[in-house]
Amino acid sequence: SAVISQKPSRDICQRGTSLTIQCQVDSQVTMMFWYRQQPGQSLTLIATANQGSEATYESGFVIDKFPISRPNLTFSTLTVSNMSPEDSSIYLCSVAYSGNTIYFGEGSWLTVV
Amino acid sequence: GQQLNQSPQSMFIQEGEDVSMNCTSSSIFNTWLWYKQDPGEGPVLLIALYKAGELTSNGRLTAQFGITRKDSFLNISASIPSDVGIYFCAGHQSSNTGKLIFGQGTTLQVKP
Repeated sequence: SAVISQKPSRDICQRGTSLTIQCQVDSQVTMMFWYRQQPGQSLTLIATANQGSEATYESGFVIDKFPISRPNLTFSTLTVSNMSPEDSSIYLCSVAYSGNTIYFGEGSWLTVV
Repeated sequence: GQQLNQSPQSMFIQEGEDVSMNCTSSSIFNTWLWYKQDPGEGPVLLIALYKAGELTSNGRLTAQFGITRKDSFLNISASIPSDVGIYFCAGHQSSNTGKLIFGQGTTLQVKP
């Protein structure tokens, strides 16, 4: 399995601001993903972070709100833009190994006030 | 979006008891994964299943990929207090994407 490190682990953000979450993996991986887990809910895929090209977003998520970068095979960032209290969630970076085995980071816990 | 139907939603059991939870879907899945999430942490992979009918164990945990490819179960034997947490099933419908569809989670509480 991979060691997946996320920063920040927690943050309290002001409404209307933006926050960038970083995800660092200890080995090169082909596929990286960003998930959101709203309070008391299950996980939902935001987008697939593609190395060297634009991310692939799931229905209900757009690039203007959640811009993603993936400059290389071990690093990705997710920005939550113009935050509102509804964006208070856990944001999770994940990677795929051996095709369909998905591992998660510890998450970035965002509270928007 | 589509979700997996996971049950039960919550369980409160006595230490030493066995636990069973399951996920069902109206669609076929190619992979089933079971995760545990402790408070303040990300989901940790427990068991991954890749073939219909596959039965896999990880210590006191056993999971099976249903032969219809539309369901999976997770059993925990002889539960202990550290088994407390939220258990999620998840699956892939397509083998060429990493998109996981998650169940709603089963919250397990164990009474010492």
